[in-house]
Amino acid sequence: EPEVTQTPSHQVTQMGQEVILRCVPISNHLYFYWYRQILGQKVEFLVSFYNNEISEKSEIFDDQFSVERPDGSNFTLKIRSTKLEDSAMYFCASSGAGSSYEQYFGPGTRLTVT
Amino acid sequence: KQEVTQIPAALSVPEGENLVLNCSFTDSAIYNLQWFRQDPGKGLTSLLLIQSSQREQTSGRLNASLDKSSGRSTLYIAASQPGDSATYLCAVIARWSTSGTYKYIFGTGTRLKVLA
Repeated sequence: EPEVTQTPSHQVTQMGQEVILRCVPISNHLYFYWYRQILGQKVEFLVSFYNNEISEKSEIFDDQFSVERPDGSNFTLKIRSTKLEDSAMYFCASSGAGSSYEQYFGPGTRLTVT
Repeated sequence: KQEVTQIPAALSVPEGENLVLNCSFTDSAIYNLQWFRQDPGKGLTSLLLIQSSQREQTSGRLNASLDKSSGRSTLYIAASQPGDSATYLCAVIARWSTSGTYKYIFGTGTRLKVLA
């Protein structure tokens, strides 16, 4: 069964460094998303992406964040200058165009900023 | 603004008990609702998705119901087992009014422990 994959599973970085989190969505899906979950808190929406542009973003998704679909298979989240509070689990999701509107989630990347 | 709340926040039960987890949402204008399981430090495992036209879905020992008008969903777990121990999340699926795309709004989660 097709699934969303994410790399790396765990990333440790120093404050102020740039990180890129990578996702490979399900191949025939058209909509892509990033969510984050700070330890012990809710899963929160960050951004959605469709037709090579951001369709929606939350107030969390400020100028330090960017997303890109650099080729036909990858979807990336870049954090330009990481802060301690960016430490979280980041989930990528994708969905097709169908009546269930179901999003399929990847296993997550745990980002630790020291 | 849509708020999703889950009660109880934590639950500890002996093995074999039937149990009900609750999810409530403030805006009934949702499309679907989905229940997930999350093990500590792990990803989200989809359990059941209830479409807006349905009132319930079943998978094995799990049954989820949806009452949009009252803003409630319940997840029923029959004959609980220690392997059911995890955090259970509900998410409502609503539509952005601007782009027309869909978003998941997650609840706070119920941490379940089933004792052997």
